[in-house]
Parts: sequence; structure tokens; C-alpha cells
Amino acid sequence: RKEVEQDPGPFNVPEGATVAFNCTYSNSASQSFFWYRQDCRKEPKLLMSVYSSGNEDGRFTAQLNRASQYISLLIRDSKLSDSATYLCVVNPYNNNDMRFGAGTRLTVKP
Amino acid sequence: EAQVTQNPRYLITVTGKKLTVTCSQNMNHEYMSWYRQDPGLGLRQIYYSMNVEVTDKGDVPEGYKVSRKEKRNFPLILESPSPNQTSLYFCASSLSRQPRVEAFFGQGTRLTVV
Repeated sequence: RKEVEQDPGPFNVPEGATVAFNCTYSNSASQSFFWYRQDCRKEPKLLMSVYSSGNEDGRFTAQLNRASQYISLLIRDSKLSDSATYLCVVNPYNNNDMRFGAGTRLTVKP
Repeated sequence: EAQVTQNPRYLITVTGKKLTVTCSQNMNHEYMSWYRQDPGLGLRQIYYSMNVEVTDKGDVPEGYKVSRKEKRNFPLILESPSPNQTSLYFCASSLSRQPRVEAFFGQGTRLTVV
């Protein structure tokens, strides 16, 4: 079983749609969780951290369910510019050792 | 501007010809690491360094070497590249042992070994 698993997609949605991605992780002791965004052929960049209580940043909402060991990312009112691959990242030991999911590809269409 | 710089961005080489990919960061980060990214597999860590002169193997270290003589530089060395090392490589840096640490990535090096 992979340490971090994501649905690879692709998710093809119209502008304005709401889309949700899920990610599961295998190490129940994991401490830190993130969503990174990666545009085609470019470097990953931090989108947002995921906090236990859930957190929101504009149109983006991240949730953590420790009991079920999954993380979610909700994007509301999708924009064309949201088209990218979204990487789920888990830090099992609260140090620098980051474990990446393979990514979920999103395409937002006009 | 805070950044991680990798060079070259693109490289085509032949099997067995030694090459080095450079990585430099200007954020005074202690931790640096190298990843390779292959379709369907996500980013996998090759080597990492907690600080100057401290390096260790990641998940896929075979065929690679690194060094950390200075805090800002962390070159990746392929002594005898093989076609299975064709991949997209990223260098990353971050503060060491901080909770919720953000990793900053270089722009990537697309390597093709023929």
C-alpha cells in the first residue's frame, strides 16, 4: 500500500463548479499535512497546510479526518486558472520528511 | 527574491557519461533534498541533507550521489547515468525540523538518458 494515495483523475469540470479531492495516508502517526499545487512541467508550490480543525483560504477548504486517515481539498467556484495537478503531502514525523501522493489532475473548462 | 535555482533545466545525455545537476538556495535553509518525479509515482526522495556535511539516503538513492560542502549548494551527481534515470528532478529546501515546514522547490531539471 502506498503511503499517500490520491485519485489521479483527471477531473474535468466547468467554470464555477465545486470540486473535491480526497487523499488517504497510511501512517496513523502522521503529524503535518499539506496540499501543493503543480502546474504542468513546473515545480510544486504550497497551496495550503491542513489543520485538524479544518481551514479555509478563499475558495479553498481543507479538511483532515484523523480517524479515517484522509485529507480533502474542496475548491468552490472553479476558475480556469485552477487547472493544475494537486499534490497531497504528508509529513509523518513532523520533521522534513515529506511523502507525496502522485497527484490529482484538474482541468477547468470554459 | 527567495528562490531555489537548479541547472540545467533540460539535459539530454548518453548512458555512462557522468553529469552533475546543481542546486542552490538563498534562504539559509538547513534542509535540502532531491526528488525525482515519474508519471503515476509522484515525487520520490533520492537524497537529503540536514545541514552542511550531513547527507543521507532517501527512498531511491541507487545510482546517485550528493554532497553538501556549503549550506546553499546541494549538487546531484550521476556517476554513470542509465536510461532508467530519465526523469524530472526537483531540488527542494526548507527550514530544518520545524512544524508545518514549507518546502521550496527549484524549477526542475528534465533529464533524458539515451
